[in-house]
Amino acid sequence: DAEITQSPRHKITETGRQVTLACHQTWNHNNMFWYRQDLGHGLRLIHYSYGVQDTNKGEVSDGYSVSRSNTEDLPLTLESAASSQTSVYFCASSEVKATGELFFGEGSRLTVL
Amino acid sequence: GEDVEQSLFLSVREGDSSVINCTYTDSSSTYLYWYKQEPGAGLQLLTYIFSNMDMKQDQRLTVLLNKKDKHLSLRIADTQTGDSAIYFCAENSGDYKLSFGAGTTVTVRA
Repeated sequence: DAEITQSPRHKITETGRQVTLACHQTWNHNNMFWYRQDLGHGLRLIHYSYGVQDTNKGEVSDGYSVSRSNTEDLPLTLESAASSQTSVYFCASSEVKATGELFFGEGSRLTVL
Repeated sequence: GEDVEQSLFLSVREGDSSVINCTYTDSSSTYLYWYKQEPGAGLQLLTYIFSNMDMKQDQRLTVLLNKKDKHLSLRIADTQTGDSAIYFCAENSGDYKLSFGAGTTVTVRA
């Protein structure tokens, strides 16, 4: 079955370290997204991509970067982790069709100490 | 996101109906969605409604859309313990990007 997987599911790191969260989908979707989930804020869009070599900033992109070298993967990198980036991160993908439904991964819980 | 608002908590007795409300701001939204998140899991699409519809029914779920007031609601009939979860309202803000509300935590009590 096609799916979207995130790794690691849980990570603890220290302030200032670089962290990469992986996202891999097997649906061959062109669109991929990274959201963060925080209490009281719901999901906020970090970065998104509409295809290989395409990346775009979302509403909370400061301190994050992504790259899209193939259709299946959209890794999210925190260049220098900060305590404010402690959150649950969700990757999602969608195909280019009318309803725009997003398919979500299980999430990656990141704690920055 | 700030453009989509919903109440944060709802407590309902098992067997009763649950109604979760949402307001959105983008009148050009073509689709509006309800997602469900169970503990420790990602979001799963429950249902969606096209903006030219007023109502959509899918088994125990009824979605009502009032475009004039930019108000969306989700009614769950005969609420069960398995319906305990966080429910997110979302709008299609264009270019396949979805804007989400903060989520409503539904607690079903016996």
